[in-house]
Amino acid sequence: GQQLNQSPQSMFIQEGEDVSMNCTSSSIFNTWLWYKQEPGEGPVLLIALYKAGELTSNGRLTAQFGITRKDSFLNISASIPSDVGIYFCAGHDSGGSNYKLTFGKGTLLTVNP
Amino acid sequence: DTAVSQTPKYLVTQMGNDKSIKCEQNLGHDTMYWYKQDSKKFLKIMFSYNNKELIINETVPNRFSPKSPDKAHLNLHINSLELGDSAVYFCASSRQGVLTEAFFGQGTRLTVV
Repeated sequence: GQQLNQSPQSMFIQEGEDVSMNCTSSSIFNTWLWYKQEPGEGPVLLIALYKAGELTSNGRLTAQFGITRKDSFLNISASIPSDVGIYFCAGHDSGGSNYKLTFGKGTLLTVNP
Repeated sequence: DTAVSQTPKYLVTQMGNDKSIKCEQNLGHDTMYWYKQDSKKFLKIMFSYNNKELIINETVPNRFSPKSPDKAHLNLHINSLELGDSAVYFCASSRQGVLTEAFFGQGTRLTVV
């Protein structure tokens, strides 16, 4: 089935630095979603994108739906220790079911205070 | 006030046993899901239900049988548990329709020994 290529796999950064991660697919996606998962918890939705070119912010987080509809990125500015976790991209493949959300393999973010 | 709640949070059992995981959502959503997260943190959909009807069965062994008694509940029963079933299982829900985001429960960590 469709898989999303998410990079980088992991990042080690200093508090205060900006972070960027992205996700690409081989097919067109109708939605792009970004989730954060902390240890022992379920994924929590951060940002949802519905239109090509859409740029959306949520506090220090900014995400964009790529113009080609085959990619998305997430930026975190001025990182803080509580940003630690696994960040997942996800989306609905335009050629697949709307009841199926496909996930990337995640980016593990570590922030050193 | 938990939106999507699943029980138990931890489940340790022997090979060959039968076990169930329960899920309830109080968001008024029509669609519910079961996802499996493996040891590498990869999230993969197992089942989707919409208004109690099975929509997606993502080539899951028939030892796994979901049951939705009503729109707010989606339980997962697993027969003849195998070592490879060890994983974290997440229940999620979303509003019916196209391009909507899913909200996840806290997960059930299943360990088969």
